[in-house]
Amino acid sequence: NAGVTQTPKFQVLKTGQSMTLQCAQDMNHNSMYWYRQDPGMGLRLIYYSASEGTTDKGEVPNGYNVSRLNKREFSLRLESAAPSQTSVYFCASGTGANTGELFFGEGSRLTVL
Amino acid sequence: RKEVEQDPGPFNVPEGATVAFNCTYSNSASQSFFWYRQDCRKEPKLLMSVYSSGNEDGRFTAQLNRASQYISLLIRDSKLSDSATYLCVVNHPGGYNKLIFGAGTRLAVHP
Repeated sequence: NAGVTQTPKFQVLKTGQSMTLQCAQDMNHNSMYWYRQDPGMGLRLIYYSASEGTTDKGEVPNGYNVSRLNKREFSLRLESAAPSQTSVYFCASGTGANTGELFFGEGSRLTVL
Repeated sequence: RKEVEQDPGPFNVPEGATVAFNCTYSNSASQSFFWYRQDCRKEPKLLMSVYSSGNEDGRFTAQLNRASQYISLLIRDSKLSDSATYLCVVNHPGGYNKLIFGAGTRLAVHP
């Protein structure tokens, strides 16, 4: 059981380049999330999808777009990367019930030069 | 002001010590609360939920004070394996399991 799988695990971009972070879960969860984690800031919610077909903004959505491709997959796209987007990105999934339990992927370390 | 605030630490304690972490949250409408654990360069994992009456899981005790908007985590008889960052987490009101994370408190347990 793979749980939540994110790709790529590491990426270096130049300012202005675009890229997509992929996330897939095999737990049949309804809700999926993208967070970024920066030193001293903790995890901040970028976008979430409460269920297939819906997406909503989190705390820091600017500069990002998301697609809930199907129940399993939730991708995060950076259209024009900026150095401020250098961070560790975590995808997570949950049942959607108010249990507080999210299952996270291993993270994707992105550096924008 | 951050929605969830924690003392960043680090807390450096010897094995066997008791250590307590505190957390405050700003939104009085928040309904549910949790502690997550994050090992160095790993993903966060749920440690325990925090109930109004307080709850215990082995060496870990979580308390909630709604009036003061304050959450605590107590670890007794610390082990080397407890070394990690502990994240205070609040479920955003009206959010569907939309969790807001504190920046975390780092714990280092030494022999």
